Amino acid sequence: AQSVAQPEDQVNVAEGNPLTVKCTYSVSGNPYLFWYVQYPNRGLQFLLKYITGDNLVKGSYGFEAEFNKSQTSFHLKKPSALVSDSALYFCAVRPGGYNKLIFGAGTRLAVHP
Amino acid sequence: EAGVTQFPSHSVIEKGQTVTLRCDPISGHDNLYWYRRVMGKEIKFLLHFVKESKQDESGMPNNRFLAERTGGTYSTLKVQPAELEDSGVYFCASSLAGLRGQSYTFGSGTRLTVV
Repeated sequence: AQSVAQPEDQVNVAEGNPLTVKCTYSVSGNPYLFWYVQYPNRGLQFLLKYITGDNLVKGSYGFEAEFNKSQTSFHLKKPSALVSDSALYFCAVRPGGYNKLIFGAGTRLAVHP
Repeated sequence: EAGVTQFPSHSVIEKGQTVTLRCDPISGHDNLYWYRRVMGKEIKFLLHFVKESKQDESGMPNNRFLAERTGGTYSTLKVQPAELEDSGVYFCASSLAGLRGQSYTFGSGTRLTVV
């Protein structure tokens, strides 16, 4: 079965420190990979995507993600966390040949002052 | 451009009642998707329209759920009769035609509570 795993329910980080939110996947074909963020009482907001090319993808608000094909991972990173980054983060994968997204369960990021 | 609009934003209904959720996609987006997140779990695909046609409805949980997209514009998702396990957040998304490299724009979601 095709799936996306976000192994951490919550990630806690101090403001100014680097952050990583992990994502691994198990899907068919060459997938497209996405990160979305949900702020409180808001919808899902697109952060970044990997389609092809450079394994390091840069997105909105200073976030970036690294595609690792051998480890089937697409971890989200930011060099210096802000309190305003606190939100729910979803990793999503579009399997090759499909036109729908498979989501992980989400990781809540809490950035403390 | 206007984003994907969903309403209502919240709905509380009793078990056995009917609820209709609406989604207005971005103008010109042929693809429209419904997803839902139940009880803090992963967001799951429900179905996909291309214009007014159902392209993939493999994620629809049962025949109590009916989705329509008349005229290929807005879409409705009706739950009849609603059950307790239908509670969750229902997201709509839209995208341009074609597969390669497209991005999906999501609405703010409808939080459905069945009591």
